[in-house]
This record gives sequence, structure tokens and C-alpha cells, in this order.
Amino acid sequence: QLQLQELGPGLVKPSETLSLTCTVSGGSISRRSYYWGWIRQPPGKGLGWIGSIYYTGSTYYNPSLESRVTMSVDTSKNQFSLKLSSVTAADTAVYYCARGISVIVGDALDIWGQGTMVSVSS
Amino acid sequence: QSALTQPPSASGSPGQSVTISCTGTSSDVGNYKYISWYQQHPGKAPKLMIYEVSKRPSGVPDRFSGSKSGNTASLTVSGLQAEDEADYYCSSYAGSNNVVFGGGTELTVL
Repeated sequence: QLQLQELGPGLVKPSETLSLTCTVSGGSISRRSYYWGWIRQPPGKGLGWIGSIYYTGSTYYNPSLESRVTMSVDTSKNQFSLKLSSVTAADTAVYYCARGISVIVGDALDIWGQGTMVSVSS
Repeated sequence: QSALTQPPSASGSPGQSVTISCTGTSSDVGNYKYISWYQQHPGKAPKLMIYEVSKRPSGVPDRFSGSKSGNTASLTVSGLQAEDEADYYCSSYAGSNNVVFGGGTELTVL
């Protein structure tokens, strides 16, 4: 059964770069049938799409975050990663990684990681 | 892009039906079939309940159904059960490889 697990520091200082990795187990990240995504949820608020990536490395970012976001994939480790630069308190959120249900970036996300809380504070 | 508009709350008694709306524009909900609904219990990750407007993933009860009319998508929960009490989020493809979510609806089972 496919599982996703987010890993990364729980605390990041303002103006620094937030870095998270999502490890995929129980299946290959290189399957052509899916894309992989990052979503975040500020405390007490709704979900927000950060971006998506294919195993080939093709990326698609939320226009509002595009200048600060970088996603990458490491097929040898069955992982994909998120970097968000110049963070502020507004980036404090639970960050989820997830698998897309098809190759269409806009299609649903059917398998989610448990989420990891990242706080931005000095 | 703006988030999709959902009512902040909805409620119903056990056994009743409740419909949650998700209103977008002709640039997102009205233009694509990639409408999804997610259920989220407190402290848990979202769970996919409906995709591509009205399809149910394996394991999701048929009490959950989705539809779309114009720029508004809807999620209907029939035969409400206590475990259906959760937050529900819609999402839509918005073109140009972009995705938008709704603000979420808190469903209360009375």
C-alpha cells in the first residue's frame, strides 16, 4: 500500500528557506500514471495548493508562490522535495505531500501524507 | 486566483441529506471536469471523497455524491451519519496547470 511521509524541520527562522522531503513507500515515484503535489494548511484555515511535480522533474507552481518555490524529485531515493525561500510568519502551516490520481495536474489527490507542522519564528 | 466559495458551515440530523456548494467562475469550476471534494477530520490529513465532479474512489460510501451546474459544484451527503461530521473542501483545476481550493465547510451532524 502506497504511503507518503513528510520530513523536515518543524521550525524555520524568518527570511530563511523551508525545506521538506516527501518519501514514497510501497510504490515507485517513477510510475508514469501519477503526479506528486504539495499542499499546505495554516492553523485554523483552509487548504492551499503549493505546486506539483512529475517524476521527470516537470514542475507547476501556484502563481502566488512561484517566485519563492522550488520542487525537485529524486527517483533513486523515491522522494520529492519542496523548498520555500524567504519565509515569513504567513508560511506557518501544516505541509502535506500527496499523490495525484492521474497525470493531469488539476486532477484529484488521492493519497496524502500525514502532514508536518512548520512554524516560522525567530 | 481567488479561492472557490463554500459556505462556512452546514448541518443536518442523522439520516438526513445535506448539500454543500462550491462556487467558482467560468475559468475554473465552470470550465473543467476536474472538481474534487475532500473530507478532513480534526488533526487528520484530507481524504478524497469525490473526483472529476462525480466519481467516487474505492471505499467511499455511495452516500456521497457530486454534481456540477455552471460555475457551481455540489457535494451531497445522504443518510447522514455521526462520522460524516468533518470539514469538507472542494478543489478545481483553474487552467494553466493551476489548482484552487475552496475555503472549506464545517459539517455538523446534529
